[in-house]
Amino acid sequence: EIVLTQSPDTLSLSPGERATLSCRASQTVNNNWLAWYQQTPGQPPRLLIYGASNRAAGTPDRFSGSGSGTDFTLTISRLEPGDFALYFCQQYGTSFVTFGGGTKVEIK
Amino acid sequence: QVQLQESGPGLVKPSETLSLTCTVSGTSISNFYWSWLRQSAGKGLEWIGRIYTSGHTNFNPSLESRVTMSIDTSNQFSLLINSVTAADTAVYYCARDRAPVGRPSYNWFDLWGQGVQVTVSS
Repeated sequence: EIVLTQSPDTLSLSPGERATLSCRASQTVNNNWLAWYQQTPGQPPRLLIYGASNRAAGTPDRFSGSGSGTDFTLTISRLEPGDFALYFCQQYGTSFVTFGGGTKVEIK
Repeated sequence: QVQLQESGPGLVKPSETLSLTCTVSGTSISNFYWSWLRQSAGKGLEWIGRIYTSGHTNFNPSLESRVTMSIDTSNQFSLLINSVTAADTAVYYCARDRAPVGRPSYNWFDLWGQGVQVTVSS
């Protein structure tokens, strides 16, 4: 099982600021098959990024994904009010997919 | 637009069987893998298993002995988890799988249902 560790647990920022979220895997994620999701309270996760850096349909270009191997990053270039939410990474480099514990982006 | 909707009892007694159905609208259930996932405060997001329209399944190894999935042509697929305990209390989601070309069992999830809270308690 690949364990994904997200950091920090909570990120306190102001609208307009840049957010950098980290996802570290316990072993190499094959083919950099990593996705990112956003979740707001009472809603299901929403796909943002797949394949480490490919934006899903409807994902604004202020969201970007990067990284390879065991270290991946989600960057939000300028936070908008709707971006304050919980973010998860997920690896699918094995058929037993796993998720990170999440990073909460909150308003400072 | 494509929508997924989970349905089933919100309360299940310990040792009994949890049963949920996902109804898909706006697209055919054919030619996709479909997954069940759950989310609890203690364990975060957890993938339970996936099923293809042929009936082929893959399961999370930690749950495999207790899980059954089925699919039918009425655009529905279902989840059964037997011998439930309080640890199975969670919000349960159904989702559509997407995969790299030629690697259908390596999935991310592009569409999710709204989720259904299931509590295991006597």
